[in-house]
Amino acid sequence: GQQVMQIPQYQHVQEGEDFTTYCNSSTTLSNIQWYKQRPGGHPVFLIQLVKSGEVKKQKRLTFQFGEAKKNSSLHITATQTTDVGTYFCAGRRSNYQLIWGAGTKLIIKP
Amino acid sequence: DAGVIQSPRHEVTEMGQEVTLRCKPISGHNSLFWYRQTMMRGLELLIYFNNNVPIDDSGMPEDRFSAKMPNASFSTLKIQPSEPRDSAVYFCASSLGQGDGYTFGSGTRLTVV
Repeated sequence: GQQVMQIPQYQHVQEGEDFTTYCNSSTTLSNIQWYKQRPGGHPVFLIQLVKSGEVKKQKRLTFQFGEAKKNSSLHITATQTTDVGTYFCAGRRSNYQLIWGAGTKLIIKP
Repeated sequence: DAGVIQSPRHEVTEMGQEVTLRCKPISGHNSLFWYRQTMMRGLELLIYFNNNVPIDDSGMPEDRFSAKMPNASFSTLKIQPSEPRDSAVYFCASSLGQGDGYTFGSGTRLTVV
């Protein structure tokens, strides 16, 4: 069936280090969305990527959509405590439904 | 805009009781989604409404679950009878159109004992 694999499941970083999460789909996607969920909170929409090879930036966050529109990544430069949470990708095929990755939990080491 | 509003925030109920969760989507949003989130299964789509019409309810676990959207500003998810395995966080989300980003409500944490 349709799947979006997201890795890693967890990433522990020191504050100031970079963080990256990757998503890979078994099928071509029409677009991909990224969400952030803080501990105890709800998913919050960050961005949508539509075009093959698209790269978008939001301050310290860089989002990429692969040339084949099957994979995507989110990179955070110089993590801060406010970045803590779980980051989800959600891919869309031709219909309305999003196929969610399992999420990557960003943990800042004390 | 107040965002997507869900109530109650927390619900503790005994097995066998009826539970009703409520959602008010963002005004003007045509699509409404009910999701369930657990540690084991992640985010699961339960049902999707477009312009108040249920389009896909294939994610509804079984006949104990039902959802309605009587108008553009209100939706309910009902579980009757509830079971302990229904314990989860239930999110309502809305979007302007089918292809847009979703705005999630704060969720209802349901515990069935």
